[in-house]
Amino acid sequence: EDKVVQSPLSLVVHEGDTVTLNCSYEVTNFRSLLWYKQEKKAPTFLFMLTSSGIEKKSGRLSSILDKKELFSILNITATQTGDSAVYLCAVEYNTNAGKSTFGDGTTLTVKP
Amino acid sequence: SAVISQKPSRDICQRGTSLTIQCQVDSQVTMMFWYRQQPGQSLTLIATANQGSEATYESGFVIDKFPISRPNLTFSTLTVSNMSPEDSSIYLCSPTYQETQYFGPGTRLLVL
Repeated sequence: EDKVVQSPLSLVVHEGDTVTLNCSYEVTNFRSLLWYKQEKKAPTFLFMLTSSGIEKKSGRLSSILDKKELFSILNITATQTGDSAVYLCAVEYNTNAGKSTFGDGTTLTVKP
Repeated sequence: SAVISQKPSRDICQRGTSLTIQCQVDSQVTMMFWYRQQPGQSLTLIATANQGSEATYESGFVIDKFPISRPNLTFSTLTVSNMSPEDSSIYLCSPTYQETQYFGPGTRLLVL
């Protein structure tokens, strides 16, 4: 059975800390791994990773994929209270449908 | 990126009634997915709706309960039929645009 597992499930840090969120997966027909930030209702897209070892960066956020060990990490440096959200990892299937399976998410709380 | 709108943004419904959720995209998209996110849980795919073909439903979801329309490449509807309190969730449409999966703002449904 395909699965996407995120850890930790929740995390509380203080502003300025650096956090690392983990996502491991076991899926057939892997196409890409996606990270989303969900604050209220709709997830917002952060990164799409398709190749191993290539870091993607956007400001204080970065992510990398290891297709051999089947995991990805999302790093957030110098965290701010606005980073408080649920971070979702999803794996997209390499089929015509292109659908995705989501992990349960990591709830990050950044305290002032 | 694609601009996506959903109507209604939220609703409170009585059990046994039906609600149709609309999803409008400002660009033509081939793939459209509908997700459900129950309280405290991650996203679960309901069905894949591509224009010109019948929707494909995931295990545990059936057309009689969640009929979907996809009349053109910019619009789709999801109906939640014969609602029960267990249908209380956030419902999200998710088009794939330029190989990136986006999410609508979501419809928060409460069934009494």
